[in-house]
Amino acid sequence: ETGVTQSPTHLIKTRGQQVTLRCSSQSGHNTVSWYQQALGQGPQFIFQYYREEENGRGNFPPRFSGLQFPNYSSELNVNALELDDSALYLCASSLPEGEQFFGPGTRLTVL
Amino acid sequence: GESVGLHLPTLSVQEGDNSIINCAYSNSASDYFIWYKQESGKGPQFIIDIRSNMDKRQGQRVTVLLNKTVKHLSLQIAATQPGDSAVYFCAENEVAAGNKLTFGGGTRVLVKP
Repeated sequence: ETGVTQSPTHLIKTRGQQVTLRCSSQSGHNTVSWYQQALGQGPQFIFQYYREEENGRGNFPPRFSGLQFPNYSSELNVNALELDDSALYLCASSLPEGEQFFGPGTRLTVL
Repeated sequence: GESVGLHLPTLSVQEGDNSIINCAYSNSASDYFIWYKQESGKGPQFIIDIRSNMDKRQGQRVTVLLNKTVKHLSLQIAATQPGDSAVYFCAENEVAAGNKLTFGGGTRVLVKP
Protein backbone atom coordinates (compact mmCIF):
# COMPACT_ATOMS: atom_id res chain seq x y z
CA GLU A 1 0.00 0.00 0.00
CA THR A 2 1.22 3.50 -0.88
CA GLY A 3 -0.61 5.41 1.84
CA VAL A 4 -2.51 7.38 -0.81
CA THR A 5 -6.27 7.04 -0.51
CA GLN A 6 -9.02 8.08 -2.89
CA SER A 7 -12.77 8.37 -2.54
CA PRO A 8 -15.19 7.26 -3.68
CA THR A 9 -14.10 3.94 -5.17
CA HIS A 10 -16.80 3.94 -7.84
CA LEU A 11 -19.21 6.59 -9.03
CA ILE A 12 -21.97 6.71 -11.62
CA LYS A 13 -23.14 10.04 -13.03
CA THR A 14 -25.18 11.22 -16.01
CA ARG A 15 -24.15 13.57 -18.77
CA GLY A 16 -24.13 17.22 -17.75
CA GLN A 17 -23.71 16.53 -14.04
CA GLN A 18 -20.77 17.60 -11.90
CA VAL A 19 -18.47 15.36 -9.87
CA THR A 20 -15.89 15.81 -7.11
CA LEU A 21 -13.23 13.22 -6.46
CA ARG A 22 -10.98 13.25 -3.39
CA CYS A 23 -7.42 12.25 -2.65
CA SER A 24 -5.44 12.07 0.59
CA SER A 25 -1.72 12.21 0.02
CA GLN A 26 0.96 10.19 1.72
CA SER A 27 2.26 11.74 4.94
CA GLY A 28 5.01 14.27 4.25
CA HIS A 29 4.14 14.75 0.57
CA ASN A 30 3.21 18.26 -0.56
CA THR A 31 2.56 17.57 -4.25
CA VAL A 32 -0.49 15.85 -5.75
CA SER A 33 -0.87 14.96 -9.41
CA TRP A 34 -4.09 13.78 -11.07
CA TYR A 35 -4.28 11.41 -14.03
CA GLN A 36 -7.11 10.09 -16.19
CA GLN A 37 -6.88 6.49 -17.36
CA ALA A 38 -9.33 5.39 -20.05
CA LEU A 39 -9.95 1.67 -20.36
CA GLY A 40 -7.06 -0.05 -22.12
CA GLN A 41 -4.80 3.00 -22.08
CA GLY A 42 -2.05 4.49 -20.00
CA PRO A 43 -2.77 7.28 -17.52
CA GLN A 44 -2.83 10.84 -18.91
CA PHE A 45 -1.68 13.79 -16.83
CA ILE A 46 -4.48 16.22 -15.92
CA PHE A 47 -2.78 18.66 -13.53
CA GLN A 48 -0.57 18.93 -10.49
CA TYR A 49 -0.85 20.86 -7.23
CA TYR A 50 2.07 21.98 -5.11
CA ARG A 51 1.49 23.80 -1.84
CA GLU A 52 -2.12 24.62 -2.78
CA GLU A 53 -1.23 26.11 -6.19
CA GLU A 54 -1.70 24.56 -9.63
CA ASN A 55 1.76 23.63 -10.86
CA GLY A 56 1.26 22.47 -14.42
CA ARG A 57 -1.62 21.23 -16.50
CA GLY A 58 -2.06 18.70 -19.25
CA ASN A 59 -4.30 18.90 -22.29
CA PHE A 60 -7.65 18.95 -20.48
CA PRO A 61 -10.42 21.56 -20.82
CA PRO A 62 -11.19 24.12 -18.07
CA ARG A 63 -14.19 22.09 -16.86
CA PHE A 64 -11.54 19.94 -15.16
CA SER A 65 -10.46 21.87 -12.08
CA GLY A 66 -8.84 21.11 -8.78
CA LEU A 67 -7.98 22.22 -5.30
CA GLN A 68 -5.32 21.40 -2.78
CA PHE A 69 -5.88 21.98 0.91
CA PRO A 70 -3.43 23.03 3.65
CA ASN A 71 -3.09 19.38 4.71
CA TYR A 72 -2.10 18.64 1.05
CA SER A 73 -5.16 16.55 0.32
CA SER A 74 -6.74 17.37 -3.02
CA GLU A 75 -9.96 17.41 -5.00
CA LEU A 76 -10.61 16.98 -8.70
CA ASN A 77 -13.80 18.57 -9.99
CA VAL A 78 -15.31 17.89 -13.39
CA ASN A 79 -18.24 19.98 -14.62
CA ALA A 80 -20.65 19.28 -17.46
CA LEU A 81 -19.74 15.60 -17.60
CA GLU A 82 -19.45 13.94 -21.00
CA LEU A 83 -19.58 10.26 -21.88
CA ASP A 84 -15.86 10.31 -22.70
CA ASP A 85 -15.08 11.35 -19.13
CA SER A 86 -15.76 7.75 -18.10
CA ALA A 87 -12.40 6.54 -16.83
CA LEU A 88 -10.30 5.60 -13.82
CA TYR A 89 -9.07 8.78 -12.11
CA LEU A 90 -5.78 8.36 -10.31
CA CYS A 91 -4.04 10.66 -7.93
CA ALA A 92 -0.38 10.43 -7.03
CA SER A 93 1.42 12.13 -4.19
CA SER A 94 5.09 13.01 -4.05
CA LEU A 95 7.66 15.54 -3.06
CA PRO A 96 8.23 18.08 -5.87
CA GLU A 97 10.80 16.02 -7.80
CA GLY A 98 10.34 12.69 -6.11
CA GLU A 99 8.80 9.35 -6.93
CA GLN A 100 5.04 9.49 -7.38
CA PHE A 101 2.95 7.13 -5.27
CA PHE A 102 -0.42 6.28 -6.76
CA GLY A 103 -3.72 5.72 -5.04
CA PRO A 104 -6.14 2.96 -6.09
CA GLY A 105 -8.20 5.31 -8.23
CA THR A 106 -11.85 6.27 -8.58
CA ARG A 107 -13.79 4.57 -11.37
CA LEU A 108 -16.19 7.14 -12.89
CA THR A 109 -18.93 6.00 -15.23
CA VAL A 110 -20.91 8.63 -17.13
CA LEU A 111 -24.23 7.47 -18.60
CA GLY B 1 -11.91 -5.81 -10.08
CA GLU B 2 -12.22 -4.28 -13.51
CA SER B 3 -9.71 -5.12 -16.21
CA VAL B 4 -7.13 -2.44 -16.91
CA GLY B 5 -5.84 -3.86 -20.15
CA LEU B 6 -8.79 -4.94 -22.31
CA HIS B 7 -7.21 -3.84 -25.60
CA LEU B 8 -3.53 -3.88 -24.76
CA PRO B 9 -0.86 -6.02 -26.46
CA THR B 10 -0.38 -9.18 -24.45
CA LEU B 11 2.78 -11.09 -23.65
CA SER B 12 2.14 -14.70 -22.64
CA VAL B 13 5.03 -16.28 -20.79
CA GLN B 14 5.56 -19.61 -19.10
CA GLU B 15 6.15 -19.51 -15.36
CA GLY B 16 9.88 -19.55 -14.71
CA ASP B 17 10.83 -18.06 -18.08
CA ASN B 18 12.18 -14.56 -18.54
CA SER B 19 9.94 -11.74 -19.82
CA ILE B 20 10.97 -8.76 -21.88
CA ILE B 21 8.63 -5.79 -22.26
CA ASN B 22 9.50 -3.01 -24.67
CA CYS B 23 8.57 0.64 -24.80
CA ALA B 24 9.28 3.48 -27.20
CA TYR B 25 9.31 6.97 -25.71
CA SER B 26 8.79 10.24 -27.49
CA ASN B 27 10.56 13.10 -25.73
CA SER B 28 14.31 13.24 -26.31
CA ALA B 29 14.54 15.74 -23.41
CA SER B 30 13.15 13.22 -20.90
CA ASP B 31 15.72 12.53 -18.23
CA TYR B 32 13.95 10.07 -15.98
CA PHE B 33 12.14 6.87 -16.90
CA ILE B 34 10.03 4.60 -14.74
CA TRP B 35 8.37 1.21 -15.12
CA TYR B 36 5.05 0.69 -13.35
CA LYS B 37 3.02 -2.46 -12.73
CA GLN B 38 -0.75 -2.17 -12.55
CA GLU B 39 -2.91 -4.99 -11.28
CA SER B 40 -6.64 -5.09 -11.84
CA GLY B 41 -8.46 -2.67 -9.56
CA LYS B 42 -5.29 -0.97 -8.36
CA GLY B 43 -3.22 2.08 -9.16
CA PRO B 44 0.19 1.85 -10.85
CA GLN B 45 2.93 0.50 -8.60
CA PHE B 46 6.57 1.60 -9.00
CA ILE B 47 8.92 -1.18 -10.14
CA ILE B 48 12.19 0.43 -11.15
CA ASP B 49 13.51 3.68 -12.57
CA ILE B 50 16.51 4.84 -14.56
CA ARG B 51 18.09 8.22 -15.22
CA SER B 52 19.00 9.26 -18.73
CA ASN B 53 22.73 9.21 -17.89
CA MET B 54 22.53 5.43 -17.40
CA ASP B 55 21.88 2.63 -19.87
CA LYS B 56 21.17 -0.21 -17.46
CA ARG B 57 19.88 -0.62 -13.95
CA GLN B 58 19.14 -3.79 -12.03
CA GLY B 59 16.73 -4.47 -9.23
CA GLN B 60 15.39 -7.60 -7.63
CA ARG B 61 14.54 -9.90 -10.58
CA VAL B 62 14.12 -6.86 -12.86
CA THR B 63 16.46 -5.04 -15.19
CA VAL B 64 15.74 -1.88 -17.14
CA LEU B 65 17.68 -1.03 -20.30
CA LEU B 66 17.69 2.41 -21.88
CA ASN B 67 18.76 3.15 -25.45
CA LYS B 68 18.61 6.91 -25.96
CA THR B 69 19.77 6.68 -29.55
CA VAL B 70 16.55 5.02 -30.64
CA LYS B 71 14.45 6.24 -27.67
CA HIS B 72 13.75 2.73 -26.46
CA LEU B 73 13.26 1.33 -22.99
CA SER B 74 12.88 -2.30 -21.96
CA LEU B 75 12.02 -4.16 -18.78
CA GLN B 76 13.33 -7.66 -18.22
CA ILE B 77 11.74 -9.83 -15.55
CA ALA B 78 13.73 -12.90 -14.58
CA ALA B 79 12.04 -16.16 -13.61
CA THR B 80 8.53 -14.81 -14.16
CA GLN B 81 6.04 -15.77 -11.46
CA PRO B 82 2.21 -15.88 -11.44
CA GLY B 83 2.22 -12.74 -9.29
CA ASP B 84 3.89 -10.89 -12.17
CA SER B 85 0.68 -11.10 -14.21
CA ALA B 86 -0.40 -7.48 -14.64
CA VAL B 87 -0.28 -4.56 -17.06
CA TYR B 88 3.11 -2.86 -17.32
CA PHE B 89 3.57 0.77 -18.30
CA CYS B 90 6.67 2.77 -19.00
CA ALA B 91 6.61 6.46 -18.14
CA GLU B 92 8.95 9.31 -18.98
CA ASN B 93 9.57 12.54 -17.14
CA GLU B 94 11.34 15.73 -18.13
CA VAL B 95 12.27 16.99 -14.69
CA ALA B 96 12.84 20.59 -15.82
CA ALA B 97 9.26 20.65 -17.09
CA GLY B 98 7.93 19.56 -13.71
CA ASN B 99 7.27 16.18 -12.18
CA LYS B 100 4.65 15.19 -14.75
CA LEU B 101 4.70 11.65 -16.07
CA THR B 102 3.94 10.74 -19.68
CA PHE B 103 2.85 7.12 -19.89
CA GLY B 104 3.19 4.71 -22.76
CA GLY B 105 0.36 2.48 -23.91
CA GLY B 106 1.10 -0.53 -21.73
CA THR B 107 1.61 -4.27 -22.15
CA ARG B 108 -0.34 -7.01 -20.42
CA VAL B 109 1.77 -9.88 -19.13
CA LEU B 110 0.01 -13.20 -18.65
CA VAL B 111 1.97 -15.88 -16.80
CA LYS B 112 0.99 -19.45 -17.62
CA PRO B 113 1.53 -22.08 -14.93
